[in-house]
Amino acid sequence: DTGVSQDPRHKITKRGQNVTFRCDPISEHNRLYWYRQTLGQGPEFLTYFQNEAQLEKSRLLSDRFSAERPKGSFSTLEIQRTEQGDSAMYLCASSLGPGASGGYTFGSGTRLTVV
Amino acid sequence: AQSVAQPEDQVNVAEGNPLTVKCTYSVSGNPYLFWYVQYPNRGLQFLLKYITGDNLVKGSYGFEAEFNKSQTSFHLKKPSALVSDSALYFCAVRDSSASKIIFGSGTRLSIRP
Repeated sequence: DTGVSQDPRHKITKRGQNVTFRCDPISEHNRLYWYRQTLGQGPEFLTYFQNEAQLEKSRLLSDRFSAERPKGSFSTLEIQRTEQGDSAMYLCASSLGPGASGGYTFGSGTRLTVV
Repeated sequence: AQSVAQPEDQVNVAEGNPLTVKCTYSVSGNPYLFWYVQYPNRGLQFLLKYITGDNLVKGSYGFEAEFNKSQTSFHLKKPSALVSDSALYFCAVRDSSASKIIFGSGTRLSIRP
């Protein structure tokens, strides 16, 4: 397993369109996290899954955002009716358990630009 | 609630000199502390962690960090900086009872030849 994969790497979309991102975690990792990172800032927590269950959602995750992890494997993050403020890098990470032993393994991210 | 602060937006160091990147944290329980590095257009790479044990933690690429419970700090250090160390560095914390890692705002490290 080569790590956490995210697709696409870059996405440019028009305001009001829907977009969906995919994350494939390390296969034996049961926890999957989504973070958002804007330019010059640290990653902000959005949501996380343990297996297929979504256990926590940040208040940053408005009702236009939805995340799924069917069958506890890959995850998708969908943004409906995109706004310019959604432009950011969306990072996915995975861990075995809470990640205390070694932190998280991050993917390279999906950079979203809303025009 | 847990939080982490990186008071310096940028740190500039000459190659070969020692470097320090500062981090302070706040948690209600025992802290799990991490440092990550980010290169342009890349995800975050894990550098080192403190969970328990020795206050001086050694990590990747010659970096180390010192946990100071009384000062609630976890500063990143390296004895001799390299130009290739230039990147964005993030301190992160997780309360032992919490479910997620919280990141600081990052410090840009610039090493001049």
